[in-house]
Amino acid sequence: NAGVMQNPRHLVRRRGQEARLRCSPMKGHSHVYWYRQLPEEGLKFMVYLQKENIIDESGMPKERFSAEFPKEGPSILRIQQVVRGDSAAYFCASSPPNLARETQYFGPGTRLLVL
Amino acid sequence: QKEVEQDPGPLSVPEGAIVSLNCTYSNSAFQYFMWYRQYSRKGPELLMYTYSSGNKEDGRFTAQVDKSSKYISLFIRDSQPSDSATYLCAMSQNTGNQFYFGTGTSLTVIP
Repeated sequence: NAGVMQNPRHLVRRRGQEARLRCSPMKGHSHVYWYRQLPEEGLKFMVYLQKENIIDESGMPKERFSAEFPKEGPSILRIQQVVRGDSAAYFCASSPPNLARETQYFGPGTRLLVL
Repeated sequence: QKEVEQDPGPLSVPEGAIVSLNCTYSNSAFQYFMWYRQYSRKGPELLMYTYSSGNKEDGRFTAQVDKSSKYISLFIRDSQPSDSATYLCAMSQNTGNQFYFGTGTSLTVIP
């Protein structure tokens, strides 16, 4: 059973460009979460999605950030007009519906560098 | 005040030592407590989870939760060089699915 997959693993963007990060959850998992990890800081929750629904986006910046989890295909975290402060590691996690509060399995992350 | 506090270390121990890693928290609504291991430039790997207070053992790892003190611990027995990593505690509530993470403790086990 393949784990959570994320791509790209590394992404370099110039200020003002768009970044698209993809996440494919583990097979059988219907819950997807995005977290951001800044140097010397812990993982910070951004958004929680189920298929075609955003359940909790309380951790998402109000502007430039959006997320989706379509009926078909991976979940996408989109950052428009990136700034240097967006440079971080972005992790996706997934969980099965019956153990969502205690088991989240993480992907390898996408490391975004904004020049 | 952060909701979850964790000493960043670094912690360095000789091979075979017992390691104690700890987190404190302020939100009494936390009911689920998790420990993750993260190797450098990798994603966090779920080690253990517990619900409410008590102990849970899995091989060389033991997780303890003391809700009255808002304090959780992870013990590693017979530590190995392969245990060298950053250990993250995480917590969640009965409502919602968001995890709240500590900043992680860096552990090095010296052969």
